Amino acid sequence: GENVEQHPSTLSVQEGDSAVIKCTYSDSASNYFPWYKQELGKRPQLIIDIRSNVGEKKDQRIAVTLNKTAKHFSLHITETQPEDSAVYFCAQRDTDKLIFGTGTRLQVFP
Amino acid sequence: NAGVMQNPRHLVRRRGQEARLRCSPMKGHSHVYWYRQLPEEGLKFMVYLQKENIIDESGMPKERFSAEFPKEGPSILRIQQVVRGDSAAYFCASSPGGRAMRTEAFFGQGTRLTVV
Repeated sequence: GENVEQHPSTLSVQEGDSAVIKCTYSDSASNYFPWYKQELGKRPQLIIDIRSNVGEKKDQRIAVTLNKTAKHFSLHITETQPEDSAVYFCAQRDTDKLIFGTGTRLQVFP
Repeated sequence: NAGVMQNPRHLVRRRGQEARLRCSPMKGHSHVYWYRQLPEEGLKFMVYLQKENIIDESGMPKERFSAEFPKEGPSILRIQQVVRGDSAAYFCASSPGGRAMRTEAFFGQGTRLTVV
């Protein structure tokens, strides 16, 4: 079945450093790749997404890159801040549902 | 525009009881998805519904679990004869769906089910 692998499972960085989370997917027909941020005890919130017709998208300190040939996509957070600490999930759209990665727990130390 | 509304936020049930979780999608959204999140784990797809139709239930356990999205009213996820292993956060998401470019899915606050 469809599968999304996400690495690393945990990531600790110093405030101001960059953080990169990578995901690999198996379904070559996928055309939509969102990223969600989930703070402790709260709902997942969409932070950025990318569609298969572009290779990169930026929104302030957050960027996502997509390599369709290699079937992987990455989340890049620059100038990290303590409030970026959360669990981040990548996802791919399979037909009309989202399949999620296993999550990355990001800790940003002040 | 209210977001995805789920209730209750917290639900405690004894083993063997029934749990009913409700989800009202965002205004204008006709597609509803249910996900389960076990503690310290990811989001597992359960079921995808449109009004009065189950489109994909490949993630639903074969027994005790059912879902509906009636023409009027919220979507309901029903768990019969709950067991301790059903304890989890259940999230509902909605989207405009279809083949349109706008396929973002927005999540509700979740229902945290505890089976005692």
